[in-house]
Order: sequence, then structure tokens, then C-alpha cells
Amino acid sequence: AQSVTQPDIHITVSEGASLELRCNYSYGATPYLFWYVQSPGQGLQLLLKYFSGDTLVQGIKGFEAEFKRSQSSFNLRKPSVHWSDAAEYFCAVGAKSNYQLIWGAGTKLIIKP
Amino acid sequence: DGGITQSPKYLFRKEGQNVTLSCEQNLNHDAMYWYRQDPGQGLRLIYYSQIVNDFQKGDIAEGYSVSREKKESFPLTVTSAQKNPTAFYLCASSIGTGPTDTQYFGPGTRLTVL
Repeated sequence: AQSVTQPDIHITVSEGASLELRCNYSYGATPYLFWYVQSPGQGLQLLLKYFSGDTLVQGIKGFEAEFKRSQSSFNLRKPSVHWSDAAEYFCAVGAKSNYQLIWGAGTKLIIKP
Repeated sequence: DGGITQSPKYLFRKEGQNVTLSCEQNLNHDAMYWYRQDPGQGLRLIYYSQIVNDFQKGDIAEGYSVSREKKESFPLTVTSAQKNPTAFYLCASSIGTGPTDTQYFGPGTRLTVL
């Protein structure tokens, strides 16, 4: 069965420091991968997505993610975080064979001043 | 501006009552979805609709009902049969239900059972 694991429930990073949020998936075929961000009490906004091609994808707000098939990972990175990046981040996996996205449990990002 | 609206933002319900959450989109999307979000969990799919007058159950449909009479609208009713309805509810839409069709989300409705 498909699954998505975000191993870190919370991550605390100092403002200006680099960030990496982990996402591991379990799926037999080529997955379709997404990262969404959710500000407190709000809906989700798409940061970036990977379907095929270059394994390093660029997204909005200075985020990027790298697809590593050998590690079944799709980690999200940002070279320098801003206080406004404090939010919850969700990784999701879609399959070619069906409509449904499988969601990770989310990682809450806390920014230290 | 195109987007998805959900109302109300906050909703309080007494036990035994049915309540209806509104979701409207003006993106001309065919597909619409309802998700439930609980603290520390990912999103769980309640219902989805690929086209007007058609909808399918998701993983946690028990105690919920939907309708899709218009392309723009996909209301969700939380019935008294839903044992633990307190949660944050998110509506989404996409052009289609293919795996590459990005889902766009509304701002959510927080439902609290008193």
C-alpha cells in the first residue's frame, strides 16, 4: 500500500539558517510528489511538485525539493528561512492509477528569532 | 479573483444536529474534494466528485453526505451519525482527478461539537 512518512513532527530553525524537511514514500511505481504549506488556521498552498524529468524542482517562496528514487525520498529545502516560513508542511504522493493523494502527517516548522 | 471559498469559518454544533459546510469555487474545475484534518494527522479524504451529479466515497465517508448539483458547489453535511465530528474541514478542487492535476484548497471550516 502507498504511504508517506514525514519523520519530524516539529523542527526548530533559526531565522537565516538552512532548512531540510524530510519526506519518504512507499510506492511501487513512479510517484507523483507534492509539497504543500499550511499557515495556521488556513488552507493548503502548493509549494512545488514533481512528475518526471529533472529530479531537482524549484517551487515558490524560494523552496526546492529533490527526488531521490534510490532512497524513496522527496526532501524539501530552503537555503535561508524567514520568520514568515513558520507553518506546517505536508508531503503528498499521487499515483498514476488513481485520483487519490496520500498525505504525510505534516512537519511543523518553528522559526527562532 | 478565482478561488475557493468555504463558509462558515467557524461552526459550532450541538450533539445530534446535522450541519452543512459550504464550498464554492469559481475556477471552472470539474473535480472537488472534501478532506478532514485532525491534529498530528495528514489529510483524510471524505468524499470527492469528478463531475456534476456524481460523487464517490473516500476513506472516511461514514457519517457524512455530499451533493454536487452545480459545478461550482460541493456542500458537505456532517450528520449526527458522525461520532467524532470536531475537526478542521478542507475543501479542494482540481481541473480533473488525474495524478498531475494540482489540488487547490479553500481556507477551511473549523467545526466544534459542544
